[in-house]
This record gives sequence, structure tokens and C-alpha cells, in this order.
Amino acid sequence: KQEVTQIPAALSVPEGENLVLNCSFTDSAIYNLQWFRQDPGKGLTSLLLIQSSQREQTSGRLNASLDKSSGRSTLYIAASQPGDSATYLCAVVGVSGTYKYIFGTGTRLKVLA
Amino acid sequence: AAGVIQSPRHLIKEKRETATLKCYPIPRHDTVYWYQQGPGQDPQFLISFYEKMQSDKGSIPDRFSAQQFSDYHSELNMSSLELGDSALYFCASSLRDLVTGYTFGSGTRLTVV
Repeated sequence: KQEVTQIPAALSVPEGENLVLNCSFTDSAIYNLQWFRQDPGKGLTSLLLIQSSQREQTSGRLNASLDKSSGRSTLYIAASQPGDSATYLCAVVGVSGTYKYIFGTGTRLKVLA
Repeated sequence: AAGVIQSPRHLIKEKRETATLKCYPIPRHDTVYWYQQGPGQDPQFLISFYEKMQSDKGSIPDRFSAQQFSDYHSELNMSSLELGDSALYFCASSLRDLVTGYTFGSGTRLTVV
């Protein structure tokens, strides 16, 4: 059974810092991995989608990498801003034929002005 | 661009009442997923539909049922509501092969009193 873990669970940093959020999954046979952002009480906004054949994806100040063999993905946020404060969730979908994402436990990020 | 539309945004029900949540997927998306997110928890998969047929089932209580209609919108019906059903309920839609990942709706916040 796929399990997805995110470290750290919470993170508080001063504005301007570069930071890395980690996502680990137990079954490396994944189809793709998606990073989401969730503001309190709100929906999930897709940030980046990495196919299993890709090593990284970039969007603005965000860069996500994927090391499928080791079961890890990282989300790099450059020059963090207070507006980046949110919960970041990673989710993976396996190749087993059940087309659904399994979510990680999330990292709650707070960027201090 | 059209997004996933969920209604209502907020719903307050009393114990033992019934609730119906609606989801309108992105046009041309053929698969709909329902997730439940309790306070401080990651989203938990409930059920999914592909081309109007149930395709996968997760931790959905027997008191809940769902279906997808000919126009691809989906409804989650929840009966004999319990206090523990209070949560955010998200709908997501995708293409079957998940090549573009999930797109989530803004969610329905259900409060059972």
C-alpha cells in the first residue's frame, strides 16, 4: 500500500529565504506526482505536475524534482514571500491501475515578513 | 478557463439529516473523484467515477452514495449525518490517464450540528 510522507510537518522562515519541502513515497512505481498548495479552509491549487519520466518541473519561483528510484520529491521555493504561507501537499498516483492520488500529510509553511 | 465547480460552498445540517453535494467537472474531463478532508488532515479518497461508472472506492461510509450523470456532473449523497461527517468535501476531475493531473474544486464545507 502506497504511503506518502512529508517532512517537515511545519516550517517557519523569514521572508526571502530559499526553502526545500520534502515528500517521500514507499512504492516507487508511480505514474506521476503532483504538488498542491492549500490555504486554510480553501481548495487545493495545483502547483507542479511531474511525470514519472521527468526529473524536474519549474514554474516561476517553484522547482520540483523527482527521484523515483529513491521514492523522493522535493519542492524548492526561491526567495520566499509572506504570500507563500500555506500548506503544501504532494500526491502520487501509482501504475497499479487505480487512478487516484494518494496524498501526503502536508507541510504547513509560514513566511514571516 | 473553466474550473471544477462545487455547490454549495457551505452547508449546515443537523444530525441524522441528509445532504447532497454537487460537482461539475472541467469540460472534456471524463473522471471525477471525491475526497474528504477533516480538520488538520490530508484529503482522504472516497470514490471515483469514469464515464458514469464507479471506478474505485475508498473509505466511503455505507451511509454515503454517489453517482455520475450523463452530463458528467456528480453528486455525493450523505444520509444519517453524524457529527464526525463535518469536513471539507472536495471534488476533482481529470482525464482518465491523469496526464494533466487533478484539478480540484473549491470544496464544500459541511458542518453537522
